[in-house]
Amino acid sequence: GAVVSQHPSWVICKSGTSVKIECRSLDFQATTMFWYRQFPKQSLMLMATSNEGSKATYEQGVEKDKFLINHASLTLSTLTVTSAHPEDSSFYICSARDIIAGGPAEQFFGPGTRLTVL
Amino acid sequence: AQKITQTQPGMFVQEKEAVTLDCTYDTSDQSYGLFWYKQPSSGEMIFLIYQGSYDEQNATEGRYSLNFQKARKSANLVISASQLGDSAMYFCAMREGKNAGNMLTFGGGTRLMVKP
Repeated sequence: GAVVSQHPSWVICKSGTSVKIECRSLDFQATTMFWYRQFPKQSLMLMATSNEGSKATYEQGVEKDKFLINHASLTLSTLTVTSAHPEDSSFYICSARDIIAGGPAEQFFGPGTRLTVL
Repeated sequence: AQKITQTQPGMFVQEKEAVTLDCTYDTSDQSYGLFWYKQPSSGEMIFLIYQGSYDEQNATEGRYSLNFQKARKSANLVISASQLGDSAMYFCAMREGKNAGNMLTFGGGTRLMVKP
């Protein structure tokens, strides 16, 4: 089946630093990738939709200058948390849509990245 | 209004018994899809089952079945013969519209705990 990887799987950083999270589709091409954030014991909240070669679409309340998204190729999207603060500590999950595969479950999720900001 | 509502924050079930996890949804679209995902403690989202709004039969995948009641806007997940490995968070999600690339909206989740 389709595989989506995320790197790193966990990261600890100091307040004020920037952190880049990569989301890769390993065996398929993804024109669209989604970035979610999940706080402990809560559901997934969509942050932004990332389209290859164009600007990301951010959900209401998500600061685009703080959460920079780049989708430069059909297999890679990156999320950069700029000037991270403790309140940004969360579990970040990406999903990618297989543009070729048929069927309803074309979105495949990565394993997530746990960010802790000290 | 919440688009996806899961009213059971936590559920216990005895091993080998069946359990139903509730999900109701709200949409004005005629075309939509309903999904169930399992999230174990490791965090990955595991796709379980899908039901399209135009599907006349309830979806089934192994021990998972989806009780789709369109008029009531409910899409409950039934897990038969529960196993200890089924203990996890379960999320119901909806994709609105015909575009398969549309975003998913998730419910609040239900934590299922299977007792030996």
